[in-house]
Amino acid sequence: VHLVESGGGLVQPGTSLRLSCAASGFTFDEYAMHWVRQAPGKGLEWVSGLSWNGDYLDYADSVKGRFTISRDNPKNSLYLQLNSLGPEDTAFYYCARGGPTITDYSTLDVWGQGTTVTVSS
Amino acid sequence: DIQMTQSPSSLSASVGDRVAITCRASQTIITSLNWYQHKAGKVPKLLISGASRLQSGVPSRFSGGGSETDFTLTISSLQPDDIATYYCQQSYGLPATFGQGTKVEIK
Repeated sequence: VHLVESGGGLVQPGTSLRLSCAASGFTFDEYAMHWVRQAPGKGLEWVSGLSWNGDYLDYADSVKGRFTISRDNPKNSLYLQLNSLGPEDTAFYYCARGGPTITDYSTLDVWGQGTTVTVSS
Repeated sequence: DIQMTQSPSSLSASVGDRVAITCRASQTIITSLNWYQHKAGKVPKLLISGASRLQSGVPSRFSGGGSETDFTLTISSLQPDDIATYYCQQSYGLPATFGQGTKVEIK
């Protein structure tokens, strides 16, 4: 079971970025998927989650209206579109697998290595 | 949103000591509580789900307990490999909030 994030980088405030997460080793469309971030010197912060079929999604208040989560099940891929980025979004972004049922929807049992997003002028 | 409060924020203990980390939810979450271990430079690892269900491959010195609003992660005999920051996370509702973390060090 493997998750590999990509798409991070150094960007200016106000700009956009799209993160990707490639999944392998499990039946992707049977699991919820999430994004979690860790700002420098801070703890883990759940960012967004998406159900197995894409019907249900949610966001942390800190990113609601700016970030969009999506998935392409045939491509075994998860995405996070980050718009209107600010310095407060500077963080290490992890892709994580949730559970296959509603009771363990946000129990994160597999994590990717992460990708760094730095927002600075 | 459900707020998760961990204590202590850090602790230092000797090898072989029994260590306990507590996590309190701002409302009842039944047993929808997970514990993660995050070592420096590594990926977070799920240790315990459902408040007390030890994940496969996790040493038996780790245990979890509690329900409703109060939960505990216990390390029965602290080992050098346990140096990490530990996070609780509620999976009862969204957003799936984490506690602020407890940094565990060896004295």
